[in-house]
Amino acid sequence: KAGVTQTPRYLIKTRGQQVTLSCSPISGHRSVSWYQQTPGQGLQFLFEYFSETQRNKGNFPGRFSGRQFSNSRSEMNVSTLELGDSALYLCASNREITDTQYFGPGTRLTVL
Amino acid sequence: DQQVKQNSPSLSVQEGRISILNCDYTNSMFDYFLWYKKYPAEGPTFLISISSIKDKNEDGRFTVFLNKSAKHLSLHIVPSQPGDSAVYFCAAKNTGGFKTIFGAGTRLFVKA
Repeated sequence: KAGVTQTPRYLIKTRGQQVTLSCSPISGHRSVSWYQQTPGQGLQFLFEYFSETQRNKGNFPGRFSGRQFSNSRSEMNVSTLELGDSALYLCASNREITDTQYFGPGTRLTVL
Repeated sequence: DQQVKQNSPSLSVQEGRISILNCDYTNSMFDYFLWYKKYPAEGPTFLISISSIKDKNEDGRFTVFLNKSAKHLSLHIVPSQPGDSAVYFCAAKNTGGFKTIFGAGTRLFVKA
């Protein structure tokens, strides 16, 4: 069974631009969660989607948004990029939120 | 407000000895705890978990201990191997909720 895939793996943007990251969950998994990882901060929860509905959201500004499609694939968007948005963005999927999460390799975003 | 804390950013252990990674939590509503391991350029992978109804769970070289009264859990790796060198994240959730809270991670170095 294929794992969680994330595209692109690396991205370089400049301040003020916007970016869209993509995540394809494991087949059959309907829950997709997004996390931001920065040194010393661990994994900060961004949001979780289930069957195209956002069920929970972390403490991030409105510049961070996401959506989930009918095939469970998910995208997250960050608008008006800031230097502090440079991080590894991880996507995780599971069948139900109570199950163990499986993570993708992440997208490394660098904002210059 | 960090609900899950890993106070040791790094730990160095000799091959063959025991590695003990610690984690504290503040939210008494958490009832399920997990440990993930992360290698560079990869997403975190699930290692072991424990429900709040237990105080110990063992899987091969890995054992997790839970002390609910102290709101503390620990991961023991015996014997430690160089391939165990990675960042270890402690995570907690309430199985009725929709998000998993992660600690900041502890980087384990196992010296040959």
